[in-house]
Amino acid sequence: GAVVSQHPSWVICKSGTSVKIECRSLDFQATTMFWYRQFPKQSLMLMATSNEGSKATYEQGVEKDKFLINHASLTLSTLTVTSAHPEDSSFYICSANRDGNSYNEQFFGPGTRLTVL
Amino acid sequence: AQKITQTQPGMFVQEKEAVTLDCTYDTSDPSYGLFWYKQPSSGEMIFLIYQGSYDQQNATEGRYSLNFQKARKSANLVISASQLGDSAMYFCAMSTGTASKLTFGTGTRLQVTL
Repeated sequence: GAVVSQHPSWVICKSGTSVKIECRSLDFQATTMFWYRQFPKQSLMLMATSNEGSKATYEQGVEKDKFLINHASLTLSTLTVTSAHPEDSSFYICSANRDGNSYNEQFFGPGTRLTVL
Repeated sequence: AQKITQTQPGMFVQEKEAVTLDCTYDTSDPSYGLFWYKQPSSGEMIFLIYQGSYDQQNATEGRYSLNFQKARKSANLVISASQLGDSAMYFCAMSTGTASKLTFGTGTRLQVTL
């Protein structure tokens, strides 16, 4: 159990377009999900905490108008990269905290590789 | 603020040998959790092991064990009987208090050789 999916797994888009990435918890409910960004050969950097039914909490330095997060249900969070530019090219990973978990284990999705031309 | 430090950018180990990946942490919160994740080249993050700050015993999960030394603020991962499939990036991470967000270290790339 505790499977998290992401869609798409990779996407190539033109500069100036918007891209939506979906994160789904397939077999559990997740009030809280997280979005990370990972540059090549670097660690994961938390971008924002996504809370079902409320506004996301963004980490310092992350533009909330550029990275729109919507957590509309207990199993789905979306990240929209608006007006994408080449510097937004990265590996985006989501994770979900299973409701009722005894400790704060996060289950990760397989990631989405975004390339902006 | 929370901080995780992994001082080994890369490690080599021979197949069937044991290897220790270092992790030190810093937090003022008395309640915290420590995690190790494996990230193969495919990019997925695979949960390996967890240690709570109040756990009395070191965590073990199959070939993985966590050497938790609270006074030294270290949480080293020990992999026994290394396999070629263990070659990957390994990340140490911490959550504190009631917040479930994770702070990650910079990672250690492990290469298992024949």
